[in-house]
Amino acid sequence: QKEVEQNSGPLSVPEGAIASLNCTYSDRGSQSFFWYRQYSGKSPELIMFIDSNGDKEDGRFTAQLNKASQYVSLLIRDSQPSDSATYLCAVLNAGNNRKLIWGLGTSLAVNP
Amino acid sequence: GAGVSQSPSNKVTEKGKDVELRCDPISGHTALYWYRQSLGQGLEFLIYFQGNSAPDKSGLPSDRFSAERTGGSVSTLTIQRTQQEDSAVYLCASSLGWGQGAREQYFGPGTRLTVT
Repeated sequence: QKEVEQNSGPLSVPEGAIASLNCTYSDRGSQSFFWYRQYSGKSPELIMFIDSNGDKEDGRFTAQLNKASQYVSLLIRDSQPSDSATYLCAVLNAGNNRKLIWGLGTSLAVNP
Repeated sequence: GAGVSQSPSNKVTEKGKDVELRCDPISGHTALYWYRQSLGQGLEFLIYFQGNSAPDKSGLPSDRFSAERTGGSVSTLTIQRTQQEDSAVYLCASSLGWGQGAREQYFGPGTRLTVT
């Protein structure tokens, strides 16, 4: 089992819809969870992070965390064609090993 | 600076040659990370620095890879005797540190390495 799993997609949604991106992780001791966006040929850019169970909103983006289910998601409201990218989930490994564990990403296509 | 910078942006080298990749982190960021990403693949962790120390070198693929950081700022990743499988985009990221609100990593534009 991979440590951080994401559906590779592609996930296709119409413009204006809500895009829902999901991520599961295996380490129950994981502390922080990050969502990055990566456009083709570019480096990842941070969207937001979440530490506590529940929802965290930032503009059109909402991160949702459920530690009991070891599940984190990213909702994108009013999706725009410019949101078309690969979305990477990353989990901070607890303890002394402080490196991020990365999923392989979900490709999102927002169709005009 | 305003963001993480990396140089060169592109590097083409012949198999067997040594290469040096440079990363200049965001000013004030104490943590620095190296990753690589092969075409269509996920991010592969290589090494991170806290200050000038590298607590975790577990991701370095072989002893041909080494990295150093001096003055708590610029870092250099060196690949000796390059092989074709080393071809990838090498990404550098930095963060303020480890505390609340300080763990977010910001990436540079990457160095695309091609070994012929």
